[in-house]
Amino acid sequence: NAGVTQTPKFQVLKTGQSMTLQCAQDMNHNSMYWYRQDPGMGLRLIYYSASEGTTDKGEVPNGYNVSRLNKREFSLRLESAAPSQTSVYFCASSEAFQGNQPQHFGDGTRLSIL
Amino acid sequence: AQSVAQPEDQVNVAEGNPLTVKCTYSVSGNPYLFWYVQYPNRGLQFLLKYITGDNLVKGSYGFEAEFNKSQTSFHLKKPSALVSDSALYFCAVRALNTGGFKTIFGAGTRLFVKA
Repeated sequence: NAGVTQTPKFQVLKTGQSMTLQCAQDMNHNSMYWYRQDPGMGLRLIYYSASEGTTDKGEVPNGYNVSRLNKREFSLRLESAAPSQTSVYFCASSEAFQGNQPQHFGDGTRLSIL
Repeated sequence: AQSVAQPEDQVNVAEGNPLTVKCTYSVSGNPYLFWYVQYPNRGLQFLLKYITGDNLVKGSYGFEAEFNKSQTSFHLKKPSALVSDSALYFCAVRALNTGGFKTIFGAGTRLFVKA
C-alpha cells in the first residue's frame, strides 16, 4: 500500500522557471493538501482541496497554483520560481476535511531555486 | 488568533529515561489534537490523537499524550525513551475557524535520545 506518493523527490530550478509537483494517493481520501516546510516554521498550508472539484487557498498561496485532477491526484505548480520558494514540499490527504481523522503525508519534494 | 506552541526547540534525554515533549494551544471551541513524528527525509507520520473522553491517549510506539483542558496543553510522553525515538515531533490542532476546519501545526521539537 503506497499511501501518498510525491514526484519528483528532488529538483533544482533556476529563477523564473516553472514546474509542477505531482501527488497521488491510493486511500480513496476526499481531501488533499499541499504544505511547505521551512526550518523553525513548522508546516504552512499552501492550498487544499476539501473534495474532488474544489480547491482553496491556505496560509501562503502566493506564487502557486493547484489542480485537483481527480480524486487521487492533486498537483502544485510554480509558474515562475523564486529563491524564496526553496523549501521542502509535502502533499497530504485525509478522509474528510471536517473530520477528526489524521492526515497522511508523502515523503516530500526537496526544491531548490537558484 | 488560533495558534499552537511547542516551547522547546530541542529536548535531550538519556535512553531509558522518561520523555516529555510539550504542546500548548489557543483555539476557539473544542479542538481535535494530534501528534506526528518526522524521521529524516520522510513525511510526517501520525502518532496519536485526542478527540474526546479520557485525558490520557495512547498511540503508536509506546507514546501517550495527556490532554489538559484548563491548561490548554497536550504534552507527548513516553515512560522509557529509545535511541530510535530521536526525531522531529509536531503537535497539531484542528479546530473550527471562519471558512471551516483548519489544521494548525506547531513549529516542531527535535528529540535527541542519547545511548
